[in-house]
Amino acid sequence: DQQVKQNSPSLSVQEGRISILNCDYTNSMFDYFLWYKKYPAEGPTFLISISSIKDKNEDGRFTVFLNKSAKHLSLHIVPSQPGDSAVYFCAASSNDYKLSFGAGTTVTVRA
Amino acid sequence: DVKVTQSSRYLVKRTGEKVFLECVQDMDHENMFWYRQDPGLGLRLIYFSYDVKMKEKGDIPEGYSVSREKKERFSLILESASTNQTSMYLCASSPGHTQETQYFGPGTRLLVL
Repeated sequence: DQQVKQNSPSLSVQEGRISILNCDYTNSMFDYFLWYKKYPAEGPTFLISISSIKDKNEDGRFTVFLNKSAKHLSLHIVPSQPGDSAVYFCAASSNDYKLSFGAGTTVTVRA
Repeated sequence: DVKVTQSSRYLVKRTGEKVFLECVQDMDHENMFWYRQDPGLGLRLIYFSYDVKMKEKGDIPEGYSVSREKKERFSLILESASTNQTSMYLCASSPGHTQETQYFGPGTRLLVL
């Protein structure tokens, strides 16, 4: 049973607009959350993370929001660029070495 | 920069063959991981290792084994390949503490005929 869920398999957005990716989790022991980006034929690369002691973390065009009570996090990309077209994975960890991943959301940025 | 390399980008094997996938990291990381990625299922953990000669089962270890004889190298073994093991296999490493980023290799796309 997947403990991390990305319910939108795909997202299409116009260049320059905001992309919002959503992620829900069921395990209340998760306390560290990450987003990875993956291009075809490459391994995932780390994008941004957030600890459960925070509700927002920002890095350039990327912002992650965490709502612990709703067990929900989101990734905002502003403004979206063509190079952002990729698969985005949400991942979560409790106090151990392992990560649990969602199924991924494919983002397509239209010119 | 952390570098994780995998021995093959593409592999084609026959049902019943023994398959070895090799992974090497150059950053002296303690932890290494093997995942498989399938459409609609994301990344699922097969095995991980937190020290040389130590291993722990992940979420889907059936049909797989691993070996970690040296700190930098982590091998995934398919004892008798089956068609349902056709997948993208991803290796990752992390320094050795909790709550930290894992760094991934480029992946091996395995096709079992």
